[in-house]
Amino acid sequence: GDSVTQMEGPVTLSEEAFLTINCTYTATGYPSLFWYVQYPGEGLQLLLKATKADDKGSNKGFEATYRKETTSFHLEKGSVQVSDSAVYFCARNSGGGADGLTFGKGTHLIIQP
Amino acid sequence: DAGVIQSPRHEVTEMGQEVTLRCKPISGHNSLFWYRQTMMRGLELLIYFNNNVPIDDSGMPEDRFSAKMPNASFSTLKIQPSEPRDSAVYFCASSSSGSAEAFFGQGTRLTVV
Repeated sequence: GDSVTQMEGPVTLSEEAFLTINCTYTATGYPSLFWYVQYPGEGLQLLLKATKADDKGSNKGFEATYRKETTSFHLEKGSVQVSDSAVYFCARNSGGGADGLTFGKGTHLIIQP
Repeated sequence: DAGVIQSPRHEVTEMGQEVTLRCKPISGHNSLFWYRQTMMRGLELLIYFNNNVPIDDSGMPEDRFSAKMPNASFSTLKIQPSEPRDSAVYFCASSSSGSAEAFFGQGTRLTVV
C-alpha cells in the first residue's frame, strides 16, 4: 500500500544552518506530495506541495522537488531560523483526487540560537 | 473564513464513558477527514467523507468508533465506550473537490483515565 518514510528526529541545528529532511514514498499511482508543519499545540499547516514529477514546491524559504526516479521529496532550507522549530510531516495522497493523506512519522526540528 | 473548527479542544473522561468529538469544515469544502495522532503510530487516517457520504472507514480501529456527517457543515466522531488506549489528539481536516490540499483543525486532545 501507500507509505511515506522520513528521517527520524529530533534534528538539532544552529541558526543559519542548512536543512535537509529526507522523505521517500512508495511508487504507487501518481500521487501529489506534501510537506506539512505542526507548531506546538496546533494543527498541521500545509507548507508546500508538488503535484507531478519534477515540480518544485516552495514556501517561506523551504523547497522540495518531486523526484520520480528516486521516489523522493526531500525538504530543504538554506538558512534556518529559531522560528522554524516545529514538527515536519511528509505526506502523499493516492493520486485519485481529494482522498485521505498518508503521512510519514514526522521529524522534530529544533533550531538553537 | 475561520478555518476548520473542532470542539472541544481538550477532553478528559473516565474509561467506559462515551466521548463525542465535533468538527465544522470550511464552508464549501465537500471532503472531510478524521485523523488520530499518537506518539507511537503517528498520524493515522480514521475515516473520510465525500459529499457527506463515508467513503473509506478502513482506518477506524474498532466498532467502538463511529463517525457521522449529517450535513455539509458538521461531523462527529464518537467513541463508546472509551478506553485509555484511545488517548490521542484527534484532527479533523477538510478539502474541496479536485484539490489535493487538506486544511486541518487545531485538534482535540483526548485523555481517557
